[in-house]
Amino acid sequence: EAQVTQNPRYLITVTGKKLTVTCSQNMNHEYMSWYRQDPGLGLRQIYYSMNVEVTDKGDVPEGYKVSRKEKRNFPLILESPSPNQTSLYFCASSLYRTGNTEAFFGQGTRLTVV
Amino acid sequence: AQSVAQPEDQVNVAEGNPLTVKCTYSVSGNPYLFWYVQYPNRGLQFLLKYITGDNLVKGSYGFEAEFNKSQTSFHLKKPSALVSDSALYFCAVTPGGRNNRLAFGKGNQVVVIP
Repeated sequence: EAQVTQNPRYLITVTGKKLTVTCSQNMNHEYMSWYRQDPGLGLRQIYYSMNVEVTDKGDVPEGYKVSRKEKRNFPLILESPSPNQTSLYFCASSLYRTGNTEAFFGQGTRLTVV
Repeated sequence: AQSVAQPEDQVNVAEGNPLTVKCTYSVSGNPYLFWYVQYPNRGLQFLLKYITGDNLVKGSYGFEAEFNKSQTSFHLKKPSALVSDSALYFCAVTPGGRNNRLAFGKGNQVVVIP
């Protein structure tokens, strides 16, 4: 089954404790991205990757890191989480980087930083 | 930079009545437009897209949308709403070309009343 898999689904952590949210897709998609969803703000892009070893900042990159060492994986790293990073996070992938193909989303990771 | 406006926070409609969810966009160049739906505790699912060609596009679950270039709108419609259509709906736009950066609206909660 074609899918984007995120782990974990739920995570509660303390301020400053490094964490990684994993994302993997099995569709050989070129483009991957991370979004955060906050009430009243819709989805905002954090980082994106147009291919292996090619990553760039989205609209809200502060406090986050990513890497794309393999085509299928695109982990999101919070080096020192803070309470304002409490949010619902989605990983997404698209076949091409050119904007005319739809995105497939993971199930989401609900992160709480206390 | 591209942007999307979804002017209504919530749309209430009686089951069997027509459903319309409004979306206007701002982007330089020719837009690629998308609608996604999010059910509770799920990731976003693709409904339909406009890339080029016929202004009326048909998608999943009986939904359709009309691209209006002069009004920069891409309203989502369904002739007869079902209770199971109750969900959060997002409009999104990319500028097309070399980057698949989606800009999302804040979302519309649709409530279909039995």
